[in-house]
Amino acid sequence: NAGVTQTPKFRVLKTGQSMTLLCAQDMNHEYMYWYRQDPGMGLRLIHYSVGEGTTAKGEVPDGYNVSRLKKQNFLLGLESAAPSQTSVYFCASSLGYGYTFGSGTRLTVV
Amino acid sequence: GQQVMQIPQYQHVQEGEDFTTYCNSSTTLSNIQWYKQRPGGHPVFLIQLVKSGEVKKQKRLTFQFGEAKKNSSLHITATQTTDVGTYFCAGYNTDKLIFGTGTRLQVFP
Repeated sequence: NAGVTQTPKFRVLKTGQSMTLLCAQDMNHEYMYWYRQDPGMGLRLIHYSVGEGTTAKGEVPDGYNVSRLKKQNFLLGLESAAPSQTSVYFCASSLGYGYTFGSGTRLTVV
Repeated sequence: GQQVMQIPQYQHVQEGEDFTTYCNSSTTLSNIQWYKQRPGGHPVFLIQLVKSGEVKKQKRLTFQFGEAKKNSSLHITATQTTDVGTYFCAGYNTDKLIFGTGTRLQVFP
């Protein structure tokens, strides 16, 4: 039972490049979330999904897109990376009580 | 929008001392959750509080939810070096959690 798996774990992008972060969960959770964590800022919600085929904006959605084509997967896309998107990205899933987080993706945009 | 603030931002204690972090929301919460994140790790769920005035204990950790359901606290009795990390509260808003800014705890042996 892997829980929540994020890939990749580390990535360096050049400004303007695009990439997709993958989150996969094997717990049959309905809800999935993408957060970013920056020093002194806590965890800020980017986008989230309350079920397969649904997505919604969180606190800081600009510059990101998401898709939830399958219940177990939640993808976060950066179309044109900017240095301000340098951060640690966490995916989480839930049945509505207590989030299970992945181990994170450390992204640096240069 | 909803804001969740935590104080203090940092706390350094000697092993054996007590520690408390406070969480305040700008709006009434349906429930509040607490998470711990070890250095270099990911947040791990600790507990959820739902009822006004609720108090829950987990060994040396005591969690409280305010009567007005707008504030909460986490108290650790007799800290140990294994308590090191950042403690986050998170307020539940409809279908998502809004996290507080966290309190980083450092414990010196």
